[in-house]
Amino acid sequence: GQQVMQIPQYQHVQEGEDFTTYCNSSTTLSNIQWYKQRPGGHPVFLIQLVKSGEVKKQKRLTFQFGEAKKNSSLHITATQTTDVGTYFCAEAYNAGNMLTFGGGTRLMVKP
Amino acid sequence: NAGVMQNPRHLVRRRGQEARLRCSPMKGHSHVYWYRQLPEEGLKFMVYLQKENIIDESGMPKERFSAEFPKEGPSILRIQQVVRGDSAAYFCASSRGVDEKLFFGSGTQLSVL
Repeated sequence: GQQVMQIPQYQHVQEGEDFTTYCNSSTTLSNIQWYKQRPGGHPVFLIQLVKSGEVKKQKRLTFQFGEAKKNSSLHITATQTTDVGTYFCAEAYNAGNMLTFGGGTRLMVKP
Repeated sequence: NAGVMQNPRHLVRRRGQEARLRCSPMKGHSHVYWYRQLPEEGLKFMVYLQKENIIDESGMPKERFSAEFPKEGPSILRIQQVVRGDSAAYFCASSRGVDEKLFFGSGTQLSVL
């Protein structure tokens, strides 16, 4: 699998502020998946992006896949306390769900 | 409709003992994956299994670690002669098909004293 770098490592925001996490690779990604892991919990699948330049929305969450398929971002509009957790990007390499995970961005939201 | 079931939730072992982690995939899922997560880090792929077959074990240490997914019963991740460095959260995940959505279990937190 490839190396997938994620920034920032931590982010503190005030409730209502926006939040963005970035995922970068030095080589072309075949696809990108995003997961959310609540503190003490397990990863939960959010979305998969496959096409160059793809943009998908889920309520306040916007996911983008770069034109060169070397980066991706997750943007949360008007964060809420329920958004607290660590957000991971991951690439599935080869056939199947053998994933290479980024290091994650831990989001903390102050009420 | 139960999700991916892992047990035990917490497992404490002394150095040199064996650890057995169990995972029952979601109903109808025949693809099982094991991942390991160290504190404050992302998950690392260990092994991919289908019923009675190991498809890919490239992420699993060559020694002391083994995995199986028998025809009947749960998938087992076995760690022999555990060392402190094996302390981690071990997550199992399953999917219905090869490239279909992955569902994770709640994990087993292994602590080696």
